[in-house]
Amino acid sequence: GNSVTQMEGPVTLSEEAFLTINCTYTATGYPSLFWYVQYPGEGLQLLLKATKADDKGSNKGFEATYRKETTSFHLEKGSVQVSDSAVYFCALRSDGGSQGNLIFGKGTKLSVKP
Amino acid sequence: EPEVTQTPSHQVTQMGQEVILRCVPISNHLYFYWYRQILGQKVEFLVSFYNNEISEKSEIFDDQFSVERPDGSNFTLKIRSTKLEDSAMYFCASSERQGAQPQHFGDGTRLSIL
Repeated sequence: GNSVTQMEGPVTLSEEAFLTINCTYTATGYPSLFWYVQYPGEGLQLLLKATKADDKGSNKGFEATYRKETTSFHLEKGSVQVSDSAVYFCALRSDGGSQGNLIFGKGTKLSVKP
Repeated sequence: EPEVTQTPSHQVTQMGQEVILRCVPISNHLYFYWYRQILGQKVEFLVSFYNNEISEKSEIFDDQFSVERPDGSNFTLKIRSTKLEDSAMYFCASSERQGAQPQHFGDGTRLSIL
């Protein structure tokens, strides 16, 4: 079945450091891929998405490229800020039939220190 | 920006009681979802709802659970005979369409079963 695997956290970085959170997936067909972010005490917010191979999603300085050959969708940011501290979830949505539900990874907690 | 709203933010209930979690999806959205996140675990899909009927449900969504759209704005999740293991964060989400369309999440209801 479809699944998402993302790197275990927590990840602790200093402000302005480079961030990578790895995400790989298993799916049939051509799923859409998403990164969601959950700030403390809040719900899930869509951060970025990509719907086909080689698409790059970007938002708020974060980027992720849909790599079908490596079944990956790694999240990157060149210079993190304290305000980026949150839990990040990689997710996929199947392209088949009525499969509208999102399948999430376990989440990676990011803490950015000043 | 339109939001998905959920009430209550925190619900404490005795084991064996029934609870109803409420959600108001974004007004022009047609697809509605419930997800669950047990503390420290991944976000899990429960059920999707479209055109006044369940379109998909997971193995978690057994006879203990039901969903309803009682009027034009609310979308509810009912849990009968609650168990300790039902304690979790429950997220409602909605989207305009399926496929690549992102799902917009509420802030969640924290359900604590005593």
